[in-house]
Amino acid sequence: SQTIHQWPATLVQPVGSPLSLECTVEGTSNPNLYWYRQAAGRGLQLLFYSVGIGQISSEVPQNLSASRPQDRQFILSSKKLLLSDSGFYLCAWSVRGTGPYGYTFGSGTRLTVV
Amino acid sequence: AQKVTQAQTEISVVEKEDVTLDCVYETRDTTYYLFWYKQPPSGELVFLIRRNSFDEQNEISGRYSWNFQKSTSSFNFTITASQVVDSAVYFCALSEGKGGGNKLTFGTGTQLKVEL
Repeated sequence: SQTIHQWPATLVQPVGSPLSLECTVEGTSNPNLYWYRQAAGRGLQLLFYSVGIGQISSEVPQNLSASRPQDRQFILSSKKLLLSDSGFYLCAWSVRGTGPYGYTFGSGTRLTVV
Repeated sequence: AQKVTQAQTEISVVEKEDVTLDCVYETRDTTYYLFWYKQPPSGELVFLIRRNSFDEQNEISGRYSWNFQKSTSSFNFTITASQVVDSAVYFCALSEGKGGGNKLTFGTGTQLKVEL
């Protein structure tokens, strides 16, 4: 069965510090991968998605970047965190192929920038 | 551009009441997919249902039912005989039927509180 792992679960970082959040998927190949952020207002905002190794599409210009060094690994990074980067970050994967399928989400990382 | 509207920010009901969560969407595509997700207090989003634009049949799964009406661009979700465990934020989402990564556009969510 497919599983998605996301860590850490919670993180408190000072302003200006770097960030690295990791997400890995098991039990599937060639997945589409996504990073979403959920701010205090509950809405889910798509940050990045990837349809293959090294292929990253950015949806929102911001202080963050994403990388996909391996087929089932997706990393969210920042060189210098801002207060506005605080939020709940969710990684997700979906089957690549004909027609959209539902996402499977990771358990999320709650980031607080202080 | 596609858009999903969940006008109900928060709903409170007493256990065993029926409750309907509204979802209205906008898209220019004739082929698209609609989803509902549940987010319990733990934060993880749980997939509930996917419906494509060519299938307007209503669906029932236990206490959950979904009413898809293309004429009004709505995909409403009803919980029958609500329980405390149904308390969560519920998200409606839309994906167009093209390639480009299967991106989902989410509504802002409806917080459902079921009280004893």
